[in-house]
Amino acid sequence: NAGVTQTPKFRILKIGQSMTLQCTQDMNHNYMYWYRQDPGMGLKLIYYSVGAGITDKGEVPNGYNVSRSTTEDFPLRLELAAPSQTSVYFCASVGLGTDTQYFGPGTRLTVL
Amino acid sequence: QKEVEQNSGPLSVPEGAIASLNCTYSDRGSQSFFWYRQYSGKSPELIMFIYSNGDKEDGRFTAQLNKASQYVSLLIRDSQPSDSATYLCAVTPPGNNDMRFGAGTRLTVKP
Repeated sequence: NAGVTQTPKFRILKIGQSMTLQCTQDMNHNYMYWYRQDPGMGLKLIYYSVGAGITDKGEVPNGYNVSRSTTEDFPLRLELAAPSQTSVYFCASVGLGTDTQYFGPGTRLTVL
Repeated sequence: QKEVEQNSGPLSVPEGAIASLNCTYSDRGSQSFFWYRQYSGKSPELIMFIYSNGDKEDGRFTAQLNKASQYVSLLIRDSQPSDSATYLCAVTPPGNNDMRFGAGTRLTVKP
């Protein structure tokens, strides 16, 4: 049981490039979340999903897109990277009937 | 007003002392409250959750919730240097499937 896994661990992008941050969980959790954490700050919710085929915006969705074709995977897409998207990105999941979020190890993204 | 507010710290306590971390939230209907610990460069890990008014104890940790005052706290007894980390308060707003986090309080326990 690997829990929540994220790839890549680190990435440097140039302005205007695109990339997909991968997130996978093997706990059969329905709810999945993407957060970003800027230095010295708390976590801000980007997008979340309550199940396969269902996604919704969080507090800071601009510049990002998500999809949820399976229960296990919840990729986050950056289409036109901007320096303001330099951050650490965490994926999390929650099972039905519980509020406890399990976090992945994070992806540190730098946009230059 | 921020949804979840915490003192950013740093909070410094000597080893063996009690560390007290505080959090206030703005939405009176919030129902679930969490404390996460985050070591530098690592992901948050859940320490405690509390749903009802009063105290909840787990080992050296005690979470306290006062819904009337919209206040939740975390006490760490017999603080250890390994407790040095940032502590994040999180709240589940009513009718939402997400969680709102405070900016975190950085705790340093000095040997």
